[in-house]
Amino acid sequence: EDQVTQSPEALRLQEGESSSLNCSYTVSGLRGLFWYRQDPGKGPEFLFTLYSAGEEKEKERLKATLTKKESFLHITAPKPEDSATYLCAVQAGTGGFKTIFGAGTRLFVKA
Amino acid sequence: DVKVTQSSRYLVKRTGEKVFLECVQDMDHENMFWYRQDPGLGLRLIYFSYDVKMKEKGDIPEGYSVSREKKERFSLILESASTNQTSMYLCASSLNLRLAGGLSDEQYFGPGTRLTVT
Repeated sequence: EDQVTQSPEALRLQEGESSSLNCSYTVSGLRGLFWYRQDPGKGPEFLFTLYSAGEEKEKERLKATLTKKESFLHITAPKPEDSATYLCAVQAGTGGFKTIFGAGTRLFVKA
Repeated sequence: DVKVTQSSRYLVKRTGEKVFLECVQDMDHENMFWYRQDPGLGLRLIYFSYDVKMKEKGDIPEGYSVSREKKERFSLILESASTNQTSMYLCASSLNLRLAGGLSDEQYFGPGTRLTVT
């Protein structure tokens, strides 16, 4: 069964304290892995797409990496405005248009 | 920028009522989706549509139906609302894979409708 698991469920950081969020997946034929950011009361906002193991993408303080079994979202020197829920999602080659979402990691960054 | 709008941010309905949630996208996307989001469960796909008048069931279609009469509009219908349908409902759209060369299928989400059924 295709599955996406994110850890930790919640993460509390001090401003400037770098860390990583994990997304492990089990799918048949990965087509793409997506990271989204979701602020409270809003819809998810697209961040990155990764297609193959070894691929990396960066945007400001965020860097996403991909292996054959998991993806990491690295946050370097976070700021309070980085506080949000980060969602990981995968699209499997055999699933047509179906995208499977993880439950998310809630990130809190304290000034 | 892609814009996906949903008809209501907050909605309160009574058990047994018929509920319509509307979603409109302005980027000429082929695919549209309806999800519900509940704490600890993540986003779960209710229905999706890859073309006008076409629809496919997602993981949890029971108690819901959809309508796509125009490319830009995708409606979710709760035939007879129940308390277990209290949730955040999110609409999304994405470009057709064939047209995008199969390289990118990220979804663009609306702001969500928080539905409470009492």
